[in-house]
Amino acid sequence: KQEVTQIPAALSVPEGENLVLNCSFTDSAIYNLQWFRQDPGKGLTSLLLIQSSQREQTSGRLNASLDKSSGRSTLYIAASQPGDSATYLCAVRRMDSSYKLIFGSGTRLLVRP
Amino acid sequence: DTEVTQTPKHLVMGMTNKKSLKCEQHMGHRAMYWYKQKAKKPPELMFVYSYEKLSINESVPSRFSPECPNSSLLNLHLHALQPEDSALYLCASSQHGTREDTQYFGPGTRLTVL
Repeated sequence: KQEVTQIPAALSVPEGENLVLNCSFTDSAIYNLQWFRQDPGKGLTSLLLIQSSQREQTSGRLNASLDKSSGRSTLYIAASQPGDSATYLCAVRRMDSSYKLIFGSGTRLLVRP
Repeated sequence: DTEVTQTPKHLVMGMTNKKSLKCEQHMGHRAMYWYKQKAKKPPELMFVYSYEKLSINESVPSRFSPECPNSSLLNLHLHALQPEDSALYLCASSQHGTREDTQYFGPGTRLTVL
Protein backbone atom coordinates (compact mmCIF):
# COMPACT_ATOMS: atom_id res chain seq x y z
CA LYS A 1 0.00 0.00 0.00
CA GLN A 2 1.39 3.38 -1.01
CA GLU A 3 1.91 5.82 1.84
CA VAL A 4 3.03 9.41 1.39
CA THR A 5 4.65 11.35 4.23
CA GLN A 6 5.55 15.01 4.43
CA ILE A 7 8.01 16.40 6.93
CA PRO A 8 7.91 18.80 8.63
CA ALA A 9 4.20 19.19 9.31
CA ALA A 10 4.69 22.91 9.87
CA LEU A 11 7.46 25.37 9.11
CA SER A 12 7.94 29.05 9.98
CA VAL A 13 10.69 31.05 8.27
CA PRO A 14 11.59 34.74 7.88
CA GLU A 15 10.98 36.39 4.55
CA GLY A 16 13.77 35.96 2.01
CA GLU A 17 14.93 32.58 3.24
CA ASN A 18 15.37 29.65 0.86
CA LEU A 19 13.58 26.54 2.08
CA VAL A 20 13.04 22.88 1.29
CA LEU A 21 9.89 20.84 1.82
CA ASN A 22 10.16 17.08 1.88
CA CYS A 23 7.90 14.33 0.58
CA SER A 24 8.56 10.59 0.85
CA PHE A 25 6.63 7.63 -0.52
CA THR A 26 6.87 3.94 0.28
CA ASP A 27 6.31 2.36 -3.15
CA SER A 28 8.65 3.52 -5.92
CA ALA A 29 6.26 2.25 -8.64
CA ILE A 30 4.84 5.68 -9.31
CA TYR A 31 3.94 7.25 -12.62
CA ASN A 32 4.35 10.84 -11.54
CA LEU A 33 4.39 13.14 -8.53
CA GLN A 34 2.63 16.44 -8.20
CA TRP A 35 3.08 19.34 -5.79
CA PHE A 36 0.07 21.44 -4.85
CA ARG A 37 -0.51 24.57 -2.83
CA GLN A 38 -3.63 25.04 -0.70
CA ASP A 39 -4.62 28.31 0.95
CA PRO A 40 -6.79 28.02 4.10
CA GLY A 41 -10.29 26.81 3.27
CA LYS A 42 -9.58 26.88 -0.45
CA GLY A 43 -8.99 24.44 -3.26
CA LEU A 44 -5.68 23.09 -4.51
CA THR A 45 -3.45 24.83 -7.03
CA SER A 46 -1.10 22.62 -9.02
CA LEU A 47 2.48 23.89 -8.81
CA LEU A 48 4.63 21.28 -10.51
CA LEU A 49 4.21 17.81 -11.95
CA ILE A 50 7.23 15.52 -12.33
CA GLN A 51 7.01 12.40 -14.45
CA SER A 52 8.77 9.34 -13.07
CA SER A 53 11.38 9.57 -15.84
CA GLN A 54 12.29 13.13 -14.84
CA ARG A 55 14.61 14.31 -12.09
CA GLU A 56 13.33 17.83 -11.61
CA GLN A 57 10.95 20.53 -12.73
CA THR A 58 11.22 24.28 -12.31
CA SER A 59 8.68 27.07 -12.30
CA GLY A 60 9.81 30.53 -11.28
CA ARG A 61 11.14 30.38 -7.71
CA LEU A 62 10.03 26.77 -7.32
CA ASN A 63 12.11 23.71 -8.07
CA ALA A 64 10.90 20.17 -7.46
CA SER A 65 13.15 17.15 -7.57
CA LEU A 66 12.32 13.46 -7.68
CA ASP A 67 14.43 10.48 -6.64
CA LYS A 68 12.15 7.55 -7.37
CA SER A 69 14.57 4.87 -6.22
CA SER A 70 14.81 6.35 -2.74
CA GLY A 71 11.15 7.33 -2.63
CA ARG A 72 11.75 11.03 -2.12
CA SER A 73 10.83 14.38 -3.59
CA THR A 74 11.73 17.87 -2.47
CA LEU A 75 10.17 21.23 -3.22
CA TYR A 76 12.68 24.08 -3.07
CA ILE A 77 11.33 27.60 -2.68
CA ALA A 78 13.83 30.37 -3.30
CA ALA A 79 13.66 33.80 -1.68
CA SER A 80 10.45 33.08 0.21
CA GLN A 81 7.76 35.74 0.46
CA PRO A 82 4.80 36.17 2.85
CA GLY A 83 2.52 35.34 -0.08
CA ASP A 84 4.05 31.86 -0.14
CA SER A 85 2.35 31.09 3.19
CA ALA A 86 0.04 28.14 2.57
CA THR A 87 -0.11 24.37 2.96
CA TYR A 88 1.95 22.46 0.42
CA LEU A 89 0.80 18.96 -0.51
CA CYS A 90 2.56 16.35 -2.57
CA ALA A 91 0.65 13.58 -4.31
CA VAL A 92 1.79 10.51 -6.19
CA ARG A 93 0.03 8.65 -8.96
CA ARG A 94 0.57 4.91 -8.93
CA MET A 95 1.67 3.07 -12.05
CA ASP A 96 -1.51 0.97 -11.98
CA SER A 97 -3.90 3.89 -11.66
CA SER A 98 -4.86 6.56 -14.15
CA TYR A 99 -6.94 8.55 -11.73
CA LYS A 100 -5.97 8.15 -8.15
CA LEU A 101 -3.67 10.64 -6.47
CA ILE A 102 -2.38 9.62 -3.06
CA PHE A 103 -1.72 12.71 -1.00
CA GLY A 104 0.61 13.43 1.85
CA SER A 105 -0.75 15.30 4.86
CA GLY A 106 0.98 18.50 3.84
CA THR A 107 3.44 21.02 5.25
CA ARG A 108 1.95 24.26 6.62
CA LEU A 109 4.34 27.05 5.71
CA LEU A 110 4.37 30.47 7.32
CA VAL A 111 6.70 33.10 5.89
CA ARG A 112 7.08 35.93 8.39
CA PRO A 113 7.54 39.50 7.06
CA ASP B 1 -9.66 29.53 -18.84
CA THR B 2 -8.21 27.07 -16.33
CA GLU B 3 -10.99 27.42 -13.81
CA VAL B 4 -13.17 24.91 -12.04
CA THR B 5 -16.11 26.53 -10.27
CA GLN B 6 -18.11 25.08 -7.40
CA THR B 7 -21.39 26.16 -5.85
CA PRO B 8 -22.35 26.82 -3.18
CA LYS B 9 -19.24 27.97 -1.29
CA HIS B 10 -20.80 27.04 2.04
CA LEU B 11 -23.68 24.71 2.87
CA VAL B 12 -25.29 23.91 6.20
CA MET B 13 -27.81 21.09 6.24
CA GLY B 14 -29.67 18.91 8.67
CA MET B 15 -29.45 15.15 8.65
CA THR B 16 -32.85 14.81 7.00
CA ASN B 17 -32.21 17.34 4.22
CA LYS B 18 -31.51 16.68 0.56
CA LYS B 19 -29.06 19.03 -1.11
CA SER B 20 -26.74 19.08 -4.11
CA LEU B 21 -23.25 20.35 -4.79
CA LYS B 22 -22.42 21.60 -8.26
CA CYS B 23 -19.16 21.71 -10.19
CA GLU B 24 -18.52 23.20 -13.62
CA GLN B 25 -15.55 23.47 -15.96
CA HIS B 26 -15.23 24.87 -19.46
CA MET B 27 -11.77 23.62 -20.30
CA GLY B 28 -13.04 20.75 -22.45
CA HIS B 29 -11.85 18.24 -19.87
CA ARG B 30 -13.40 14.77 -20.06
CA ALA B 31 -12.55 13.51 -16.57
CA MET B 32 -14.06 14.97 -13.41
CA TYR B 33 -13.51 14.05 -9.79
CA TRP B 34 -15.03 14.48 -6.34
CA TYR B 35 -12.74 14.58 -3.30
CA LYS B 36 -13.54 14.91 0.39
CA GLN B 37 -11.14 16.75 2.71
CA LYS B 38 -11.50 16.79 6.48
CA ALA B 39 -9.79 19.51 8.48
CA LYS B 40 -5.98 19.26 8.48
CA LYS B 41 -6.14 16.06 6.42
CA PRO B 42 -5.28 15.42 2.76
CA PRO B 43 -8.01 15.10 0.14
CA GLU B 44 -9.49 11.64 -0.38
CA LEU B 45 -10.87 10.54 -3.73
CA MET B 46 -14.59 9.72 -3.77
CA PHE B 47 -15.69 9.40 -7.41
CA VAL B 48 -14.28 9.71 -10.91
CA TYR B 49 -16.23 10.30 -14.10
CA SER B 50 -14.55 9.70 -17.41
CA TYR B 51 -16.38 10.73 -20.59
CA GLU B 52 -19.55 11.13 -18.54
CA LYS B 53 -19.40 7.58 -17.21
CA LEU B 54 -18.71 6.69 -13.58
CA SER B 55 -15.28 5.06 -13.57
CA ILE B 56 -14.41 4.90 -9.91
CA ASN B 57 -16.43 4.79 -6.72
CA GLU B 58 -14.09 4.57 -3.76
CA SER B 59 -16.58 2.64 -1.61
CA VAL B 60 -18.47 5.81 -0.79
CA PRO B 61 -21.73 5.42 1.20
CA SER B 62 -24.90 5.59 -0.87
CA ARG B 63 -26.00 8.78 0.88
CA PHE B 64 -23.60 10.44 -1.60
CA SER B 65 -24.84 10.15 -5.19
CA PRO B 66 -22.82 11.60 -8.06
CA GLU B 67 -24.22 12.67 -11.39
CA CYS B 68 -22.55 13.88 -14.59
CA PRO B 69 -25.28 15.45 -16.79
CA ASN B 70 -22.76 16.49 -19.47
CA SER B 71 -19.04 16.85 -19.99
CA SER B 72 -18.92 20.25 -18.26
CA LEU B 73 -21.02 19.56 -15.20
CA LEU B 74 -20.66 17.34 -12.17
CA ASN B 75 -23.13 17.15 -9.31
CA LEU B 76 -23.01 15.49 -5.93
CA HIS B 77 -26.41 14.76 -4.44
CA LEU B 78 -26.55 14.52 -0.66
CA HIS B 79 -29.22 12.77 1.39
CA ALA B 80 -29.46 11.70 5.02
CA LEU B 81 -25.92 12.78 5.83
CA GLN B 82 -24.24 12.37 9.19
CA PRO B 83 -22.35 15.03 11.17
CA GLU B 84 -19.08 13.22 10.38
CA ASP B 85 -19.70 14.00 6.70
CA SER B 86 -18.92 17.65 7.45
CA ALA B 87 -15.87 18.49 5.33
CA LEU B 88 -14.58 20.48 2.37
CA TYR B 89 -15.78 18.85 -0.86
CA LEU B 90 -13.45 19.47 -3.76
CA CYS B 91 -14.16 18.99 -7.43
CA ALA B 92 -11.37 18.52 -9.96
CA SER B 93 -11.09 17.96 -13.67
CA SER B 94 -8.42 16.76 -16.05
CA GLN B 95 -8.08 16.51 -19.79
CA HIS B 96 -8.59 12.80 -20.44
CA GLY B 97 -8.23 11.03 -17.13
CA THR B 98 -4.90 9.57 -18.17
CA ARG B 99 -1.84 9.26 -16.00
CA GLU B 100 -0.19 12.21 -17.70
CA ASP B 101 -2.98 14.58 -16.75
CA THR B 102 -2.71 17.45 -14.32
CA GLN B 103 -5.81 17.70 -12.17
CA TYR B 104 -7.28 21.18 -11.75
CA PHE B 105 -9.17 21.77 -8.55
CA GLY B 106 -12.09 24.03 -7.70
CA PRO B 107 -12.26 26.15 -4.53
CA GLY B 108 -14.46 23.63 -2.76
CA THR B 109 -17.78 23.62 -0.92
CA ARG B 110 -17.56 23.77 2.87
CA LEU B 111 -20.31 21.43 4.11
CA THR B 112 -21.58 21.40 7.68
CA VAL B 113 -24.07 18.71 8.73
CA LEU B 114 -25.98 19.47 11.92
